[in-house]
Amino acid sequence: ELKVEQNPLFLSMQEGKNYTIYCNYSTTSDRLYWYRQDPGKSLESLFVLLSNGAVKQEGRLMASLDTKARLSTLHITAAVHDLSATYFCAVDMGYALNFGKGTSLLVTP
Amino acid sequence: GAVVSQHPSRVICKSGTSVKIECRSLDFQATTMFWYRQFPKKSLMLMATSNEGSKATYEQGVEKDKFLINHASLTLSTLTVTSAHPEDSSFYICSARGHSRGTSYTQYFGPGTRLTVL
Repeated sequence: ELKVEQNPLFLSMQEGKNYTIYCNYSTTSDRLYWYRQDPGKSLESLFVLLSNGAVKQEGRLMASLDTKARLSTLHITAAVHDLSATYFCAVDMGYALNFGKGTSLLVTP
Repeated sequence: GAVVSQHPSRVICKSGTSVKIECRSLDFQATTMFWYRQFPKKSLMLMATSNEGSKATYEQGVEKDKFLINHASLTLSTLTVTSAHPEDSSFYICSARGHSRGTSYTQYFGPGTRLTVL
């Protein structure tokens, strides 16, 4: 059974600070996704990582994938309040996605 | 980009009634659609995989007679919650995997349907 573990599950950080969210998974997969979810809303696709060593950046967010270590990271640079949301990583099982529990991020002044 | 719609976005019903939720891929053909369920402050749990023209594949623990799924075309899948009870109240989200080369690796999520059973 594929397990996807995210940490931390809750993160409160000050504006301007940097932080990394980690996503570990238990079986081989070459595709990993990061999503953002705002309260009461559906998922917004942030990144699709398709191969070992993939790195993608969009604004203050950067995601990377190490398939050998079965690890993906989502790095936040100089956080701003607008980044407050829940972030999910999801591993491609070959048909559907298996989601981590999510990281609830709160950025404070 | 690819868009997936869901209808209705919100529904309140009485216990014992059935509710149908539609999921449509608007600008691409989706051979496979997925139905997820999300409880408050929890992650998404896959309920079933819906393939066009064939029976849905349900995840362990999901009652197929309670959650009826029909995938009648490459752009439409429906989830019917039969004889709904308060414990079925949840946020239901569908997603669609593209059929074409440009969309096949990405799952596009619908906006979700919030079901409240009184």
